[in-house]
Amino acid sequence: DGGITQSPKYLFRKEGQNVTLSCEQNLNHDAMYWYRQDPGQGLRLIYYSQIVNDFQKGDIAEGYSVSREKKESFPLTVTSAQKNPTAFYLCASKTSIGPEQFFGPGTRLTVL
Amino acid sequence: DAKTTQPPSMDCAEGRAANLPCNHSTISGNEYVYWYRQIHSQGPQYIIHGLKNNETNEMASLIITEDRKSSTLILPHATLRDTAVYYCIVRVDRYGQNFVFGPGTRLSVLP
Repeated sequence: DGGITQSPKYLFRKEGQNVTLSCEQNLNHDAMYWYRQDPGQGLRLIYYSQIVNDFQKGDIAEGYSVSREKKESFPLTVTSAQKNPTAFYLCASKTSIGPEQFFGPGTRLTVL
Repeated sequence: DAKTTQPPSMDCAEGRAANLPCNHSTISGNEYVYWYRQIHSQGPQYIIHGLKNNETNEMASLIITEDRKSSTLILPHATLRDTAVYYCIVRVDRYGQNFVFGPGTRLSVLP
């Protein structure tokens, strides 16, 4: 079954701790994306990567970091510098052709 | 990317057509109209997209006005499972261009 997986579904961390969210895809897509969603709001782009070993900041990159060492994987680290990290985080991927972004099921991060 | 305006919420009776409007008065000639939906606590799902002509697929129909300044997503026979937030996005269909998801329209399908 092809798709995007994010783990875990729910994540709890203490304030001041860094945390890494996993995103894996077996769709052979070149581009991958991280979005943040707050309650009742749309999605905001954090980082994106169009190719392995390359990534760009989105609209709200401060306090986050990413890596793209493999085509299938695009982990997101929420650092202690992110002032309001509690949110729903969504990962997506896309081919170079075709209209559709494919989304994972999301990770709900709660910082206590 | 052009900005879009959608009503924050709409209701629709089960079995009836749901017509979701979107205004994009500043759309450029090479920008497409995309529709996605997000069921509660899941990732968004692609529905349909178009440039100038009306489009139809197994999920929905997309009607774009002749001046392209607005469009309507039509779910012909809404079911309870269509209850979701629907996002209208306009963007250039070019690799590397990002999708900008606004607050969307929360559609409630009522029994």
